[in-house]
Amino acid sequence: DGGITQSPKYLFRKEGQNVTLSCEQNLNHDAMYWYRQDPGQGLRLIYYSQIVNDFQKGDIAEGYSVSREKKESFPLTVTSAQKNPTAFYLCASQDREAYNEQFFGPGTRLTVL
Amino acid sequence: AQSVTQLDSQVPVFEEAPVELRCNYSSSVSVYLFWYVQYPNQGLQLLLKYLSGSTLVKGINGFEAEFNKSQTSFHLRKPSVHISDTAEYFCAVRPTNFGNEKLTFGTGTRLTIIP
Repeated sequence: DGGITQSPKYLFRKEGQNVTLSCEQNLNHDAMYWYRQDPGQGLRLIYYSQIVNDFQKGDIAEGYSVSREKKESFPLTVTSAQKNPTAFYLCASQDREAYNEQFFGPGTRLTVL
Repeated sequence: AQSVTQLDSQVPVFEEAPVELRCNYSSSVSVYLFWYVQYPNQGLQLLLKYLSGSTLVKGINGFEAEFNKSQTSFHLRKPSVHISDTAEYFCAVRPTNFGNEKLTFGTGTRLTIIP
């Protein structure tokens, strides 16, 4: 089955630690996105990548980093510089040429202890 | 830049009653419009989308939405809701030009179905 996987589902980390969230897709989509979701604030774009080896900052990139070495993978690192990292993180992908919607993964809930 | 307003953060509705979830947007360029649904602790699933053509679009689970360009609205409707429709609903827009596929989301409307 084609789709987007995110791992782990739940993640706990101590303050001051970096942590990497995984996002993999087998839909052969060029574009991938990372969103952060907080209650009452909808989804906010962290980073996006329209092609391998290229990515752009979204609206709230501070304290986050990404890489796009393979078309299928777009990992997100939450660094210790992110002041309030506890949130639900969603990864999405899109077939740019199809003018299609974004497809979302199941999400990772990160809690900083 | 685009913005999306979902005025109702929470909407309680009795089972089998109709519902309308409101979405208004602002944009200086033409846009595509989307409604997504999110069940607890899950990702988002597309309900329906408007790209062009008929302004009334039908989606999954019996939902439909009407694009009104003059009022810059894209309200979501269902004539009779079920318990399983309890979820959060997000309206989103993106410019129509290729190369700018970023979605702008509203803050969401939590739909609660009362038995």
